Amino acid sequence: EAGVTQSPTHLIKTRGQQATLRCSPISGHTSVYWYQQALGLGLQFLLWYDEGEERNRGNFPPRFSGRQFPNYSSELNVNALELEDSALYLCASSLEAAWTQYFGPGTRLLVL
Amino acid sequence: GENVEQHPSTLSVQEGDSAVIKCTYSDSASNYFPWYKQELGKGPQLIIDIRSNVGEKKDQRIAVTLNKTAKHFSLHITETQPEDSAVYFCAASMNSGNTPLVFGKGTRLSVIA
Repeated sequence: EAGVTQSPTHLIKTRGQQATLRCSPISGHTSVYWYQQALGLGLQFLLWYDEGEERNRGNFPPRFSGRQFPNYSSELNVNALELEDSALYLCASSLEAAWTQYFGPGTRLLVL
Repeated sequence: GENVEQHPSTLSVQEGDSAVIKCTYSDSASNYFPWYKQELGKGPQLIIDIRSNVGEKKDQRIAVTLNKTAKHFSLHITETQPEDSAVYFCAASMNSGNTPLVFGKGTRLSVIA
């Protein structure tokens, strides 16, 4: 069974640009979670989508947004990129109302 | 909201020794506690989890204990091997359906051969 996949693996942008990151959950999983992992820090919760709806949001500015598609894949958009947005962005998926989250390999975003 | 503290931040052990990582949480309503292992360049991998209706869970060389009264839980790795070297994260959640996992800041475990 394929795990959570993310693309691209690496992304380099300059300040002020927009970044789009993509995630495909494990087959059958309907919930998708996004986390930011900055260097030396733990995982910070960004967004949670389930059945196409945003269910919860972490303490991040509105320029971090996303959506979930009918096939349950998801994308994270970061507008007006700032240097401090440089981080590993991780996507996780779970069965609806399940507690266990499975992570993808992440997208490493570098903002110059 | 929930706050998770994890100690130590770094841990070095000799191969074959045991390693213990401890976490405390603040919200007594939390009832799910997973542990993840993250190797360099990879995403976190779930290694074991425990729910608040049990006090201990074991899977081969890995065990987790939970003390709800003291609001702390620990990861125990016995007979450590070099491939156990990684960053380990604990997390806590009240209900994954409505609240996200809150993670500790991680422990970098080095197993010295």
